[in-house]
Amino acid sequence: AIQLTQSPSSLSASVGDRVTITCRASQGINYALTWYQQKPGRAPKLLIYDASILESGVPSRFSGSGSGTDFTLTISSLQPEDFATYYCQQFDSYPLTFGGGTKVEIK
Amino acid sequence: QVHLVESGGGVVQPGGSLRLSCAASGFIFSTYGMHLVRQAPGKGLEWVAFIHYDKSTTYYADSVKGRFTISRDNSKNTLYLQMNSLRVEDTAVYYCAKGGLSLSSLRYFDSWGQGALVTVSS
Repeated sequence: AIQLTQSPSSLSASVGDRVTITCRASQGINYALTWYQQKPGRAPKLLIYDASILESGVPSRFSGSGSGTDFTLTISSLQPEDFATYYCQQFDSYPLTFGGGTKVEIK
Repeated sequence: QVHLVESGGGVVQPGGSLRLSCAASGFIFSTYGMHLVRQAPGKGLEWVAFIHYDKSTTYYADSVKGRFTISRDNSKNTLYLQMNSLRVEDTAVYYCAKGGLSLSSLRYFDSWGQGALVTVSS
């Protein structure tokens, strides 16, 4: 199974900060990566698919990049509603796998 | 819009069985592949199973293979997960999630239900 390693596992940031989360795959997955946002007690929400394509309705401050084994999720200017946990997921092959998550907390 | 509602969660003893249901609305259920994803308390996300729109193909995580069975009834717009030989480590919130239409988007999750809690405990 393809393993995804997210870093950091948590971070503290202030409103307006630029935040970058990385996801590394154990083998090349081309662009087969998505990013989800999950708030406490809620289901995850799709943010980005195909590594860099923004899902409809997602604010443009979110962006994704990367291919192969290294990927990043960037929030250009952190907003109060962005404090949440973020997960990457690979869809190159079954079993589908997720990264361990990155919790973004208020500084 | 897409609406997915899970039901059937609860408390069960180790070795027991439970069947989850996921009622779908707001889209043509019979044309989309569907997934189950779970999340143990305080932990990350784990993909569990997938079923193709026409039931022709199913996939399972190794952790549930041989114990869980995913199925669907397209006439009732409902997805099912039959869980047998349950273990303490199966305790989690179980989410049903919709795949996309293309070969690639089929493998990620564009809509999610609210989740159903399954607790395996003696």
